[in-house]
Amino acid sequence: DGGITQSPKYLFRKEGQNVTLSCEQNLNHDAMYWYRQDPGQGLRLIYYSQIVNDFQKGDIAEGYSVSREKKESFPLTVTSAQKNPTAFYLCASSIQAHHVDVGSPLHFGNGTRLTVT
Amino acid sequence: EDKVVQSPLSLVVHEGDTVTLNCSYEVTNFRSLLWYKQEKKAPTFLFMLTSSGIEKKSGRLSSILDKKELFSILNITVTQTGDSAVYLCAAPTGNQFYFGTGTSLTVIP
Repeated sequence: DGGITQSPKYLFRKEGQNVTLSCEQNLNHDAMYWYRQDPGQGLRLIYYSQIVNDFQKGDIAEGYSVSREKKESFPLTVTSAQKNPTAFYLCASSIQAHHVDVGSPLHFGNGTRLTVT
Repeated sequence: EDKVVQSPLSLVVHEGDTVTLNCSYEVTNFRSLLWYKQEKKAPTFLFMLTSSGIEKKSGRLSSILDKKELFSILNITVTQTGDSAVYLCAAPTGNQFYFGTGTSLTVIP
């Protein structure tokens, strides 16, 4: 079965350390996204990528970095510059964003809950 | 500024009740509106609406879009405890999806 795999499920880090969250998909989707979810704030876009070796900043990219070296993989690094990194992080993919109105909703992974102390 | 607003923020009902969740939107070049259900982990896709006035239905859930008034509603009839979740609506614009803050629904036995 195709899907999106995020790992780890839970992650604990000390303040000042960089941490990388993994996201792998076998849906053959071109577009991949990272969202952050905080209580009462819905999903906010961090970064997205339409094709390999290209990615764009979302609304809250500061303190985060990504790479897209392979179509299947879109890892997110939370750097020490991110002021409030504790949150639930969701990775998603879609066939292509501009095809969304012909039946291409986002597919989500199960998320990584990051706690920084 | 593109935005999606959901109401109410939370709702507590008893099993068997009918609920209506609201989603209003203002997005550039509107193409579709999507509803998702989130139970702790990954949001799961429910409906995608592109045409005004055409109801999408799946079991006890249904949704309709009003492109003139820029809103959508999600109805759940004869609610069950398994319907307890956060319901999200989203509208894509450009290369992004804009999400509302979600409505947290709790169904009490």
